[in-house]
Amino acid sequence: EAGVVQSPRYKIIEKKQPVAFWCNPISGHNTLYWYRQNLGQGPELLIRYENEEAVDDSQLPKDRFSAERLKGVDSTLKIQPAELGDSAVYLCASSGGRGLNTQYFGPGTRLTVL
Amino acid sequence: QKEVEQDPGPLSVPEGAIVSLNCTYSNSAFQYFMWYRQYSRKGPELLMYTYSSGNKEDGRFTAQVDKSSKYISLFIRDSQPSDSATYLCAMSAQGGGADGLTFGKGTHLIIQP
Repeated sequence: EAGVVQSPRYKIIEKKQPVAFWCNPISGHNTLYWYRQNLGQGPELLIRYENEEAVDDSQLPKDRFSAERLKGVDSTLKIQPAELGDSAVYLCASSGGRGLNTQYFGPGTRLTVL
Repeated sequence: QKEVEQDPGPLSVPEGAIVSLNCTYSNSAFQYFMWYRQYSRKGPELLMYTYSSGNKEDGRFTAQVDKSSKYISLFIRDSQPSDSATYLCAMSAQGGGADGLTFGKGTHLIIQP
């Protein structure tokens, strides 16, 4: 079974530029999460999707961050414009099946903003 | 004070030693407790999953939860150099993926050959 796929793995941009990250969850997983992991810290939840609906986006900085999950499968996280403080690893995770809180993580996208 | 506290280390032990990793938390609503292992430049990988208080054993790994003290532990027996990684504790209030996970900072573990 294929795991969570993310691309690109690495991205270097200059501040004020836009950037987008893509995630393909494990097949059949209805719930998809985006986390941000700063250096030396644990992941922090940005947004959670149930199918195509964003059910928890309270931690997403909505002035510059946006996300979508069209058709309830793949998801894209966008930052526009990027700031120096956005440098981090952006992790996508998915989970499936009720009564089980196992979240499977992708390898992440490491973003560097210069 | 953060909801989940975890000593970042590094923790360095010789091969074969028993390793003890710990987290404390402040939110009494947490009922689901997990330990993830993260190798450098990789995503977190689930090691142990525990509901409420008690112990759970899986091979060389034992997870303990003491909700009365808001304290969770992960023990690794017969530690191997391949166990060298960052160990993240994570917890949530609801099961079934109904909420996101709250993570500790992670403890960087080094097993010396």
